[in-house]
Amino acid sequence: GEDVEQSLFLSVREGDSSVINCTYTDSSSTYLYWYKQEPGAGLQLLTYIFSNMDMKQDQRLTVLLNKKDKHLSLRIADTQTGDSAIYFCAEKNYNNDMRFGAGTRLTVKP
Amino acid sequence: DGGITQSPKYLFRKEGQNVTLSCEQNLNHDAMYWYRQDPGQGLRLIYYSQIVNDFQKGDIAEGYSVSREKKESFPLTVTSAQKNPTAFYLCASSISGVPQYFGPGTRLTVL
Repeated sequence: GEDVEQSLFLSVREGDSSVINCTYTDSSSTYLYWYKQEPGAGLQLLTYIFSNMDMKQDQRLTVLLNKKDKHLSLRIADTQTGDSAIYFCAEKNYNNDMRFGAGTRLTVKP
Repeated sequence: DGGITQSPKYLFRKEGQNVTLSCEQNLNHDAMYWYRQDPGQGLRLIYYSQIVNDFQKGDIAEGYSVSREKKESFPLTVTSAQKNPTAFYLCASSISGVPQYFGPGTRLTVL
């Protein structure tokens, strides 16, 4: 089946930039998404990018998409302790099926 | 305040029992979803419903059942046929076909 893969852990210092990476295998992906999950809570949709775009910026968040390599990244500028959470990458294909990655746990150290 | 509520937050079940997890939304969304989350794994879709009185199996529907009698409500029953039910269960809703709003989740533990 199609897969979405992410590294499980990332640790950065407060004020640094964080880059969370994701790879996917489904070449029919139409939209790609980033969700944030804080401890014991549900997921919050952070941002998304259409598959024919290569970059989207929203305040401190920058999403980069390399469609040829099927690689998606989320950059968080000036990372704060409140950004500590699990970040999920997800993709939707033309059948409207969604696949989620396992999530990357971001730890921000003061 | 609009949103999705799930109850209870924690649920304990003895082996062989059926339990029902509640999910309610007041967002007027047509589509609702149930996901299961296990440590170190992504979310896996159990069931989804795009309109009242209709629902479809997701990737891991075995051992689960749902109903959608009202637009606002999409309860999930974990039956005794589900062999490994201990997990975190998330309900979501959407208006555009992509899960956009998630509830706070129910953690189910089998004793």
